[in-house]
Amino acid sequence: GAVVSQHPSWVICKSGTSVKIECRSLDFQATTMFWYRQFPKQSLMLMATSNEGSKATYEQGVEKDKFLINHASLTLSTLTVTSAHPEDSSFYICSARDQRNSGNTIYFGEGSWLTVV
Amino acid sequence: GENVEQHPSTLSVQEGDSAVIKCTYSDSASNYFPWYKQELGKRPQLIIDIRSNVGEKKDQRIAVTLNKTAKHFSLHITETQPEDSAVYFCAATFQIYNQGGKLIFGQGTELSVKP
Repeated sequence: GAVVSQHPSWVICKSGTSVKIECRSLDFQATTMFWYRQFPKQSLMLMATSNEGSKATYEQGVEKDKFLINHASLTLSTLTVTSAHPEDSSFYICSARDQRNSGNTIYFGEGSWLTVV
Repeated sequence: GENVEQHPSTLSVQEGDSAVIKCTYSDSASNYFPWYKQELGKRPQLIIDIRSNVGEKKDQRIAVTLNKTAKHFSLHITETQPEDSAVYFCAATFQIYNQGGKLIFGQGTELSVKP
């Protein structure tokens, strides 16, 4: 199957700083990528849909100025958590749609654990 | 709105028994329904999926059924084994105009298989 790589796997940052998480599709081009956040013992909550070459589409309740998404190429989307606070500590996970061969399968990255201290 | 409801939230079965997890979705236009298994701190692993033009799909001990009229789909695991213990999530696609669908997840079911 297709591979989606996410970095870093875990990161600790100080409150008030910003942190960037990268999501790469390694063997296919992805015009659409998705960013999720998952708190302990909860489900994956969609934050935004990342669209190559255009603005991301944010879900209701997600602050677009706090969670900056950039999808500058067909293989890379980044999520920047700006002015992070302890309540932003969570598991962030991206996914990308593989549309090759008329397929529509979505593959997930490994996830990134963010701890804000 | 876009919603996927999943039940039960926890499920405990004896090894060898069957386990059934059920989900309902809100958008009749949804056309793709994957099921994921997630172990703590790891990415969701796709275990089976079904598209709206099919009513049932089976892969060894795992099967998924879809009732489009009622907008619900179910995961069936037979002959459960301790290694099946994990959190299972259902999901459904909700359409984004001209951009394909986005996956919305159910709340998850923590399955425990007792030896």
